[in-house]
Amino acid sequence: DAKTTQPNSMESNEEEPVHLPCNHSTISGTDYIHWYRQLPSQGPEYVIHGLTSNVNNRMASLAIAEDRKSSTLILHRATLRDAAVYYCIRRLWGQNFVFGPGTRLSVLP
Amino acid sequence: DAEITQSPRHKITETGRQVTLACHQTWNHNNMFWYRQDLGHGLRLIHYSYGVQDTNKGEVSDGYSVSRSNTEDLPLTLESAASSQTSVYFCASSESNRATEAFFGQGTRLTVV
Repeated sequence: DAKTTQPNSMESNEEEPVHLPCNHSTISGTDYIHWYRQLPSQGPEYVIHGLTSNVNNRMASLAIAEDRKSSTLILHRATLRDAAVYYCIRRLWGQNFVFGPGTRLSVLP
Repeated sequence: DAEITQSPRHKITETGRQVTLACHQTWNHNNMFWYRQDLGHGLRLIHYSYGVQDTNKGEVSDGYSVSRSNTEDLPLTLESAASSQTSVYFCASSESNRATEAFFGQGTRLTVV
């Protein structure tokens, strides 16, 4: 099964860091980990992706476990605009994006 | 700027009618995808294409078809619309490389009455 496992929901306070976990215990060596988020009434948007090493971009950081069976998306300072559903996806050799239910992040002012 | 657009944004149709949803991308991407999203759920893959003349079934393809005659477009057709196909439909595109991201359209909300 290509789907990943994420908590259904998480809460964070504004301006605090958020760590969103993802389990992908059956991942193969060539699968990439992608993260997308979906704001209300919008299509998903790309956040970050990686293979083995930790990755940083202007939106977030991605920490990948050494055994690659799990990863964590890190939002360094949550804002109200970060409230969304966050999807962790394995991009398989077949190049498809398989979505699970994701984690609904609530940001409290 | 390159973009991916879907049309229409909203549509209401009757049971049994044929409906076509348009998806157009100007990224020149080989890969294109159609997903549906039902209220409170994640996205489920309907059909996908890796290039012109290539189409493949996803996990929920029954009742849907696609054709890829050029790089830019992947129209989704509901042959005979059913109430169970009421949903929000998202189109996406990406390069072939697994290390690249996908770009999604804004979605088409389809209601079958």
